[in-house]
Amino acid sequence: EEQLAESGGGLVKPGESLRLTCVGSGFTFSTYTMNWVRQAPGKGLEWVSSITSVSSYIHYADSVKGRFTISRDNAKNSLYLEMKSLRAEDTAVYYCTREGEGNQVYFDFWGQGTLITVSS
Amino acid sequence: SYVLTQPPSVSVAPGQTARITCGGDNIDSKNVHWYQQKPGQAPVVVISYDSDRPSGIPERFSGSNSGNTATLTFSRVEAGDEADYYCQVWDTSSDHWVFGGGTKLTVL
Repeated sequence: EEQLAESGGGLVKPGESLRLTCVGSGFTFSTYTMNWVRQAPGKGLEWVSSITSVSSYIHYADSVKGRFTISRDNAKNSLYLEMKSLRAEDTAVYYCTREGEGNQVYFDFWGQGTLITVSS
Repeated sequence: SYVLTQPPSVSVAPGQTARITCGGDNIDSKNVHWYQQKPGQAPVVVISYDSDRPSGIPERFSGSNSGNTATLTFSRVEAGDEADYYCQVWDTSSDHWVFGGGTKLTVL
């Protein structure tokens, strides 16, 4: 069974840092582009960042560029999001998503999300 | 950056047809994907590449894309279709994925 399991969320103060982890299982993690998507409470979906299978290409939303760093360790089937200088507006559920291959280049599988709350 | 515009809400009676639009500049030059999100759950793709239905999605769901508007259509709406729906495209000019603001479908 395919699974994506996020962890690392919690309550942090403005300006602090946090690292999210997403572990994939039940599929060949190393062949897929992976993404982070977030959703603020009661709001819509916002794409955050993407990383190709061997980390050749990395992209960030303008709202997080320079503060967030996406990375992966294919040997551990893991995707990471290092977040620095966190702001109140970063408060959201963060989803790890798999980007399909070939003619399925969309987010074909999502984790259940991990909540980050940035508040003093 | 590329912007996708969706109506905040659409209401429909059971058994009727509902349409959710997604507006964007020359959106018909892009591949549009649609996601359904029910409360407390992660999103699920319901239409990919404008009009393809992934395995397991009912035939009542369909999509189209023309000009500046993509449309997700529900025929014979059921209570279980009540959810938030998001359109999505890949913006090649910025190398960003872009989501619409989302539309809440209410079944009366």
